[in-house]
Amino acid sequence: KAGVTQTPRYLIKTRGQQVTLSCSPISGHRSVSWYQQTPGQGLQFLFEYFSETQRNKGNFPGRFSGRQFSNSRSEMNVSTLELGDSALYLCASSLEKSGTSLYNEQFFGPGTRLTVL
Amino acid sequence: AQSVSQHNHHVILSEAASLELGCNYSYGGTVNLFWYVQYPGQHLQLLLKYFSGDPLVKGIKGFEAEFIKSKFSFNLRKPSVQWSDTAEYFCAVNAHYSGAGSYQLTFGKGTKLSVIP
Repeated sequence: KAGVTQTPRYLIKTRGQQVTLSCSPISGHRSVSWYQQTPGQGLQFLFEYFSETQRNKGNFPGRFSGRQFSNSRSEMNVSTLELGDSALYLCASSLEKSGTSLYNEQFFGPGTRLTVL
Repeated sequence: AQSVSQHNHHVILSEAASLELGCNYSYGGTVNLFWYVQYPGQHLQLLLKYFSGDPLVKGIKGFEAEFIKSKFSFNLRKPSVQWSDTAEYFCAVNAHYSGAGSYQLTFGKGTKLSVIP
């Protein structure tokens, strides 16, 4: 089975621009979560989607948004980029077997390295 | 606020030394616990998980972890490390926070392990 894929792998943008990152989950996985990883803050939860609905959201400004499509693929968008948005953005997918996300085991993609100049 | 604390930022060991990485969390409800590892240049991958039952869980590559509920701890151990264990290790807690639509995975800030041959 193919793993979680993320595109693009690397991205360089300038302040004020916007960016869209894409994530394809493992086949059959309906839950997709996004994380921001930086050296100072570690891994921080952005949001989680399940069956095209945002189920959970972390403590990030409204410039960060996402969506999920009917095939479970997900995109996240960052508008009006700031220097501090430079980070590795990780996507993870889960197979939710029991009707609750308590037992979800997340499988991570390689990430998209975003650099904002 | 709920949090996950990893006591050591960077641990340096010689090969064959024993390893123990501390992890404490602050959350009083039902949780599931994970350790993830990120080898240089690779994806985050699951090392081991605790859902219920025997509080001593075994994972891949000879790692194990012990859940001590009274101490809110989930420490990672390995009796004898190898150079190939050089990586960053993340403790994570899956918990349902007030107002959230689903369980959310919260990560510690990670511990870098360097093993000297």
